[in-house]
Amino acid sequence: DAKTTQPTSMDCAEGRAANLPCNHSTISGNEYVYWYRQIHSQGPQYIIHGLKNNETNEMASLIITEDRKSSTLILPHATLRDTAVYYCIVRVGAGGTSYGKLTFGQGTILTVHP
Amino acid sequence: DVKVTQSSRYLVKRTGEKVFLECVQDMDHENMFWYRQDPGLGLRLIYFSYDVKMKEKGDIPEGYSVSREKKERFSLILESASTNQTSMYLCASRTAGGGNTEAFFGQGTRLTVV
Repeated sequence: DAKTTQPTSMDCAEGRAANLPCNHSTISGNEYVYWYRQIHSQGPQYIIHGLKNNETNEMASLIITEDRKSSTLILPHATLRDTAVYYCIVRVGAGGTSYGKLTFGQGTILTVHP
Repeated sequence: DVKVTQSSRYLVKRTGEKVFLECVQDMDHENMFWYRQDPGLGLRLIYFSYDVKMKEKGDIPEGYSVSREKKERFSLILESASTNQTSMYLCASRTAGGGNTEAFFGQGTRLTVV
């Protein structure tokens, strides 16, 4: 699975959009970009994923550049409860020998301020 | 609601004890995973299983074994607990079907070996 690079930490004001970047310059054509977050003392929670098109769900939007070498997770109206570690992960889909295992990096600590 | 349940939230064991960490999922998922999470090291994969009685080593399998006798249950075994196995342990599951489905995580078991 391709490696990812994320900033160590970011701050955001409550009610503003939080834009979390991720670089994955070695991504392969069949690898998806996944985002998870982990709130303190809980297990990681899935947020969103995409292959090459931008994606949106009730939690966030995912913007993937045309060359797929980077992406941005957008939380449109951040709240205090969005304070967490955000992980960007790149991995192949089902099949092969990976069995969908996720390789986590250090992630970005997002702190949302009042 | 889909659910991955870990048997204990907190556990304290003595050095040399045999320790069982249990994980149950109710989503009929084929793939199950055990991770440990340590400050500064992130989440690291210990073992995973892609079917009943099938298992594969992850990145840090030393000192651990696993058991998958039933599809819904995946157990992590510390044969002889040591203090360096004090950690947060996270179980996850994912379906094998489909191209790009997400993994679901349990709440974690914080194990302290004294």
